[in-house]
Amino acid sequence: EDKVVQSPLSLVVHEGDTVTLNCSYEVTNFRSLLWYKQEKKAPTFLFMLTSSGIEKKSGRLSSILDKKELFSILNITATQTGDSAVYLCAVVYNFNKFYFGSGTKLNVKP
Amino acid sequence: DAGVTQSPTHLIKTRGQQVTLRCSPISGHKSVSWYQQVLGQGPQFIFQYYEKEERGRGNFPDRFSARQFPNYSSELNVNALLLGDSALYLCASSYQAGIPDTQYFGPGTRLTVL
Repeated sequence: EDKVVQSPLSLVVHEGDTVTLNCSYEVTNFRSLLWYKQEKKAPTFLFMLTSSGIEKKSGRLSSILDKKELFSILNITATQTGDSAVYLCAVVYNFNKFYFGSGTKLNVKP
Repeated sequence: DAGVTQSPTHLIKTRGQQVTLRCSPISGHKSVSWYQQVLGQGPQFIFQYYEKEERGRGNFPDRFSARQFPNYSSELNVNALLLGDSALYLCASSYQAGIPDTQYFGPGTRLTVL
């Protein structure tokens, strides 16, 4: 059965900490993996990963994909209270199917 | 440029009724996808449309249907509403379908079924 599992489910850290969010997947015909940040309503796009071992970076956020071990990580360094959100991982597979994980809820305390 | 827009913002219906949700993609985007997000869970894929044709379907009953218009906007219809259909319905657009592509989400329509 196809699945996408994110861990941890929730995380509480203090400003300045570094966090690592995990996304593992088991799908047929994998095509890409996307990370989103959801604060109130619309998820906002962070990264799209299609190739193993190539790090995508944007400011304090970075992500990498391991297609052999079937997982991706999202790193956030020097966290800020504005990073508090639910982080969603989505896998695109079987040509046009999208499967989202349940998300990791990150709470950054001042 | 305007992002993905959805209407209405909120909607309250009773069981058995029918509802139509609307979505306008980002200008230049030809693909629209619909998702259902229940509180505390990630979005669940319902449909993807590209060039007015259905290109993908998730595990939802036939009560759910959608269509895409020549201007690439889309409607999602849900018939015979159940309490369990209460959720945030998200629309996402992308330039094309079938190849890895970024999807941009609209603000969603919050549907409450009483």
